[in-house]
Amino acid sequence: DAGVIQSPRHEVTEMGQEVTLRCKPISGHDYLFWYRQTMMRGLELLIYFNNNVPIDDSGMPEDRFSAKMPNASFSTLKIQPSEPRDSAVYFCASRGSTGGNEQYFGPGTRLTVT
Amino acid sequence: EDQVTQSPEALRLQEGESSSLNCSYTVSGLRGLFWYRQDPGKGPEFLFTLYSAGEEKEKERLKATLTKKESFLHITAPKPEDSATYLCAVFVSGGYNKLIFGAGTRLAVHP
Repeated sequence: DAGVIQSPRHEVTEMGQEVTLRCKPISGHDYLFWYRQTMMRGLELLIYFNNNVPIDDSGMPEDRFSAKMPNASFSTLKIQPSEPRDSAVYFCASRGSTGGNEQYFGPGTRLTVT
Repeated sequence: EDQVTQSPEALRLQEGESSSLNCSYTVSGLRGLFWYRQDPGKGPEFLFTLYSAGEEKEKERLKATLTKKESFLHITAPKPEDSATYLCAVFVSGGYNKLIFGAGTRLAVHP
């Protein structure tokens, strides 16, 4: 399996611009998670989906953040408008319903907002 | 409030010098504890899951153990390629599929 795929790997944008991060989960996995990682706060869960439905978005920091999962193989995390404090590495992870509860992470998108 | 604390924050070892990393937790109901390895510029890589006190898992030079209050990741005769940040995370009852991560231990193994 190709693993979780994320794009872009790096994104540099100016404050106020819209940013869209993309994720393709592992085929057959029905849970998808979006995390943010910073030096100060470590890994934080932003939102997760089950069978394409958002289940818990309590970690989404502000209304500027939104996430969608239009089908089982694609999800987006959008920030509009972006701010410098959004600079972080954003990870997508997925897991299946059978077997263990371990999540498998993608390579991440490093976002820099200037 | 559910909490996960890892120690030490950073650890420097000489190649072949065995040691242990600690993950202590205070949670309402542990359903599983996970260890991940993260290399710079990469996503966390799954290593182990432990479900109950007394359980142990091994992989190459790594062995993870679990008690009712903490988990240890023992590294036996480490090599430079074991250098990474090791993260532990807990899965709690009522947590609705959320993993709560510790801050990690940065391990550097020098030849």
